[in-house]
Amino acid sequence: QVQLQESGPGLVKPSEALSLNCTVSGGSITNYYWTWVRQPPGKGLEWIGYIHSSGSAKYNPSLGSRVTMSVDTSENHFSLKFNSVTPADTAVYFCARLGEGHCGPTSCHKVLDPWGQGTLVTVSS
Amino acid sequence: DIVMTQSPDSLAVSLGERATITCKSNQSLLLPSDNRNYLAWYQQRPGQPPKVLIYWASTRKPGVPDRFSGTGSGTDFTLSISSLQAEDVAVYSCHQYYSNPFTFGQGTKLEIK
Repeated sequence: QVQLQESGPGLVKPSEALSLNCTVSGGSITNYYWTWVRQPPGKGLEWIGYIHSSGSAKYNPSLGSRVTMSVDTSENHFSLKFNSVTPADTAVYFCARLGEGHCGPTSCHKVLDPWGQGTLVTVSS
Repeated sequence: DIVMTQSPDSLAVSLGERATITCKSNQSLLLPSDNRNYLAWYQQRPGQPPKVLIYWASTRKPGVPDRFSGTGSGTDFTLSISSLQAEDVAVYSCHQYYSNPFTFGQGTKLEIK
């Protein structure tokens, strides 16, 4: 059974970069799509983007160019980097696999399953 | 972006009674080429990550109790819990995967009355 675990700093200063890793265990990262979602305290879920094990990625346009994802198949993990963070980026960050559904030439249409436990990142000086 | 709106924001139901949550999208989630609605429901228990219950609007994920059911098509969808159990206390969110960016409803908090 595939399991995911997020890791990274719990506190980041404004204007700095946030970096998170998601380690996949119980299965290979290869040939799947992997995604990041965040949830500000007391608010709903926001999709950040997804990346294929090949490195091809798609991001939420609302986040502009601040987001970069990468994948390391040798270490079976994928990563998120968020530049120039502000307090509005304070949230629980979840990683997940894209499950049931399909992908076309330019986009995927899949549910998120399974999810990691999530990690709280606070942006504050 | 597709906007997903759930109602109500919170709901209190007695044990053994029926709970119903609705989700509306501002454009159709039905893809004519495969006649599928690209709508999923997630359950998020306190302190836990979301867990998918239903996808394609009405397909229960294997292992999900049959008291959970999803209905609807196009822009209007419903999640029903036929007989509320204590372990069903959670936030329930709908999710459209019809188009990128993926979007979610704001969540409905379900409590025991």
